[in-house]
Amino acid sequence: GQNIDQPTEMTATEGAIVQINCTYQTSGFNGLFWYQQHAGEAPTFLSYNVLDGLEEKGRFSSFLSRSKGYSYLLLKELQMKDSASYLCAVLPGFQKLVFGTGTRLLVSP
Amino acid sequence: KAGVTQTPRYLIKTRGQQVTLSCSPISGHRSVSWYQQTPGQGLQFLFEYFSETQRNKGNFPGRFSGRQFSNSRSEMNVSTLELGDSALYLCASSLLGVNTEAFFGQGTRLTVV
Repeated sequence: GQNIDQPTEMTATEGAIVQINCTYQTSGFNGLFWYQQHAGEAPTFLSYNVLDGLEEKGRFSSFLSRSKGYSYLLLKELQMKDSASYLCAVLPGFQKLVFGTGTRLLVSP
Repeated sequence: KAGVTQTPRYLIKTRGQQVTLSCSPISGHRSVSWYQQTPGQGLQFLFEYFSETQRNKGNFPGRFSGRQFSNSRSEMNVSTLELGDSALYLCASSLLGVNTEAFFGQGTRLTVV
């Protein structure tokens, strides 16, 4: 079976750093995606990791450890507009993304 | 370039009816995937089409079906609607398949009453 776990909700303060964790158990692995989804909007692509290590893209970084079935999304210098849901998704094969239920992040002033 | 377009944006249907949703991918993208999003379940994969062929299907009943046309536009159909089918239906387009960056449409919010 496929199982992806991430915290349901997190809160943080503007300017702070937050780490959103994702653990997965899937029948195969061909990459892990992070998406951001604001309320009422479409998910937007943030990052894709297929090899172990850290990928940095501006204020956002994503880390992957395949041996541990673990990834995290790191958001630095939080802004109010970062309040959104963050979706972790794994590609077990090549045609089907399996999503976690998402982490709702609330950034307060 | 234009993004992924889904129509209609909102839909209200009665139990037992059927519905057809449409998705126009980004020009040049040949892969279209469909997902159902509900608050409790998150995004659940429905199916993926590439060059008019269904390559993969999720664990949904046969009431959910889809197709893709030669211009890569895709439709999904849900027959004999149930209350539990109320959800946001999202389509994602990508160049070759989901192992490349996928772009989501705004979704169709379906309410079954």
